Amino acid sequence: GQQVMQIPQYQHVQEGEDFTTYCNSSTTLSNIQWYKQRPGGHPVFLIQLVKSGEVKKQKRLTFQFGEAKKNSSLHITATQTTDVGTYFCAGAVGTYKYIFGTGTRLKVLA
Amino acid sequence: DARVTQTPRHKVTEMGQEVTMRCQPILGHNTVFWYRQTMMQGLELLAYFRNRAPLDDSGMPKDRFSAEMPDATLATLKIQPSEPRDSAVYFCASGYGYEQYFGPGTRLTVT
Repeated sequence: GQQVMQIPQYQHVQEGEDFTTYCNSSTTLSNIQWYKQRPGGHPVFLIQLVKSGEVKKQKRLTFQFGEAKKNSSLHITATQTTDVGTYFCAGAVGTYKYIFGTGTRLKVLA
Repeated sequence: DARVTQTPRHKVTEMGQEVTMRCQPILGHNTVFWYRQTMMQGLELLAYFRNRAPLDDSGMPKDRFSAEMPDATLATLKIQPSEPRDSAVYFCASGYGYEQYFGPGTRLTVT
């Protein structure tokens, strides 16, 4: 079946270091979304990417969608303790149907 | 500040019992999703509705799970009979465009 994998599964960084999580789909996606889930919380929508090769920025966060629309990445510059949480990508495999990635749990050490 | 609400927030029940989880989507949203989150399986899409009509429930165990939207302000997810492997956090999410707004979840423990 369709799968969306993320690496790494866990990442511990010192505050101020950069962080990147990668998302890979077994099939071509029509679009991809990114969510953040704080410990004990619920996923919160961050962004959607639609076009092949698209790059979007939100302050210290940079999101990319691969040329083949099968992979994506999220890069955080100069992490802060508020960045702690699990980051999920969600690939669109049909209208309104999203498969969530396995998630990357980020821990930021002060 | 519009939010998706879910009840109950926590539920502990014995194996074999019926469990009903409720979700109130954000007013005006026409798409409603049910997800299940576990450590082992991550976030799994169980079912979703658009304009109250079920579009896809292929992620749901058909023999024991059912999802309905009796009206635009209420979505329900029912498990009958419940089993220990159903223990998870169940999230409801609603949307109008492409964004999904998640509720706080129902943490279900089946003993």
